[in-house]
Amino acid sequence: ETGVTQTPRHLVMGMTNKKSLKCEQHLGHNAMYWYKQSAKKPLELMFVYSLEERVENNSVPSRFSPECPNSSHLFLHLHTLQPEDSALYLCASSPLAWGTDTQYFGPGTRLTVL
Amino acid sequence: GQQLNQSPQSMFIQEGEDVSMNCTSSSIFNTWLWYKQDPGEGPVLLIALYKAGELTSNGRLTAQFGITRKDSFLNISASIPSDVGIYFCAGQLPRDFGNEKLTFGTGTRLTIIP
Repeated sequence: ETGVTQTPRHLVMGMTNKKSLKCEQHLGHNAMYWYKQSAKKPLELMFVYSLEERVENNSVPSRFSPECPNSSHLFLHLHTLQPEDSALYLCASSPLAWGTDTQYFGPGTRLTVL
Repeated sequence: GQQLNQSPQSMFIQEGEDVSMNCTSSSIFNTWLWYKQDPGEGPVLLIALYKAGELTSNGRLTAQFGITRKDSFLNISASIPSDVGIYFCAGQLPRDFGNEKLTFGTGTRLTIIP
């Protein structure tokens, strides 16, 4: 139990669907992150939120839309995705954004876009 | 951008053997982290290193922060079946790079042959 939960664990969607991924951290951290993990590639940082404000947006296509309503919850809204967006989407949290605080990861959502 | 070269990409060993893997970078890092990822799960932090030359152990795992700050290695002694998984290194840049992002290696997949 890492203290970071993600739902759903698996998601299959068509290119015209709209869906949302949810992340919740129970660690009292102030920073949350979305990463994309594709096969044989390093983890790609997508978004960083610190105290509910977005502090990093790594040139992610607008079909991915993050939302951080409070420091414990993070969403990733998905719409009109492409098959190449199929990947494992990982959420992480840390006490502060950057610094020397290590990041703790959730179990991920395995996304398949048909 | 910064890149982490992690090697080997995969290892096939017998139970009881020792394992060694490493990461090298063209950039200096302030922090080195080693994570393990089991199938269908998110990465779990194994060891964090904060000072050049630091040698840290966690059970059968030992990791070192290279003296040049551009490399790190992870050793696993007397491997057991539950060591199977993908091991990732991650380096954190110094603050004067703009922000202290985590840069991840591509992973080392460890398989234990019966």
